[in-house]
Amino acid sequence: AQSVTQLGSHVSVSEGALVLLRCNYSSSVPPYLFWYVQYPNQGLQLLLKYTTGATLVKGINGFEAEFKKSETSFHLTKPSAHMSDAAEYFCAVSPSGGYQKVTFGTGTKLQVIP
Amino acid sequence: DSGVTQTPKHLITATGQRVTLRCSPRSGDLSVYWYQQSLDQGLQFLIQYYNGEERAKGNILERFSAQQFPDLHSELNLSSLELGDSALYFCASSAGTVANYGYTFGSGTRLTVV
Repeated sequence: AQSVTQLGSHVSVSEGALVLLRCNYSSSVPPYLFWYVQYPNQGLQLLLKYTTGATLVKGINGFEAEFKKSETSFHLTKPSAHMSDAAEYFCAVSPSGGYQKVTFGTGTKLQVIP
Repeated sequence: DSGVTQTPKHLITATGQRVTLRCSPRSGDLSVYWYQQSLDQGLQFLIQYYNGEERAKGNILERFSAQQFPDLHSELNLSSLELGDSALYFCASSAGTVANYGYTFGSGTRLTVV
């Protein structure tokens, strides 16, 4: 079984400040990890994913995440927040291999303050 | 436009009724996944189909059923509706294994049961 825990249901940052959204996972097999973003009244959009190989993964809109096996973490970061980054962000995990469903975290709403 | 089409976008119906939600996956994608998103339960996996066959089942109620047709579109049937079924229902598709491509989500159907 797999699960993800997102620390902080709401995060506020100032425009231009570092964005850090935390995600810890639990998986009985090597995980595949994802970050999705959901803008109001829209579906979820894939930001980035980790499968194998390089542990620092770059995604769209300047976001990146680092897979740390020893800490079972996959935190999402962006050096400088833009107003357009205000959205809800979901961390997700899937066991590697096969046609496996993705388990989502409960989401973190990011507020960007001008 | 993600390429995953969900209809209708909004649905208001009374308790005890039955509704059908429709999803057309992105062109070339064989897998369809249904998720329910509510404020209190977050994103809950309901069911997955791959090329017409059921592949995985999640927290789907017995009052709910789904199928995937030969043209790969999928329908989610919700019957004997209760107030608690009010939620956003998302369809997602993927070409093959989730790890390779991640999900592509539709914009959802907002179901309101009154």
